[in-house]
Amino acid sequence: GQQLNQSPQSMFIQEGEDVSMNCTSSSIFNTWLWYKQEPGEGPVLLIALYKAGELTSNGRLTAQFGITRKDSFLNISASIPSDVGIYFCAGASGGSNYKLTFGKGTLLTVNP
Amino acid sequence: GAVVSQHPSRVICKSGTSVKIECRSLDFQATTMFWYRQFPKKSLMLMATSNEGSKATYEQGVEKDKFLINHASLTLSTLTVTSAHPEDSSFYICSARVMGRQNTEAFFGQGTRLTVV
Repeated sequence: GQQLNQSPQSMFIQEGEDVSMNCTSSSIFNTWLWYKQEPGEGPVLLIALYKAGELTSNGRLTAQFGITRKDSFLNISASIPSDVGIYFCAGASGGSNYKLTFGKGTLLTVNP
Repeated sequence: GAVVSQHPSRVICKSGTSVKIECRSLDFQATTMFWYRQFPKKSLMLMATSNEGSKATYEQGVEKDKFLINHASLTLSTLTVTSAHPEDSSFYICSARVMGRQNTEAFFGQGTRLTVV
């Protein structure tokens, strides 16, 4: 099956620092999604990417859909304590079922 | 974004009993809903795809008689964990796809923490 490698597994940073995380896949995806999950909650969609090469921003978050369609990165600028959580990438190949394949997540800790 | 509501958020049940979890799309219609299971500090594991008006499609290794899924309307899917055992304790999350949008995202419910004692 499809595999998603997400890195880093965890990050400990100081407030104000920038953060970067990425996902790579063994196969092509048509859609890349980035989610944030806080303890005891479901994932919340941050950014959706639909075209190879697409670069999209949402406030302090920026994500890109890799040209090869096998990778994506998420950047968070000027981190704040409320950025703490687990960030998941997810890819979809399309089709009627639209199943998502999730990365294993990046645990972000921001020290004030 | 679209809102998906999951209920209950927490449930504790006795071993051998059944538990029903509801997933509702509040402001859109969803022909397809997905049920996931998540273990502590792990990623989401897709259990099954629920299609309105037809049988659910289960992922390999997921017992369909154990995890009953019913998608009776375009806004409601239910997951029933039958004859629950302690090893069924987990965080269950549903998601829904917005009907009719070509480029579309999946929106998640807030999850249900199931504890079987």
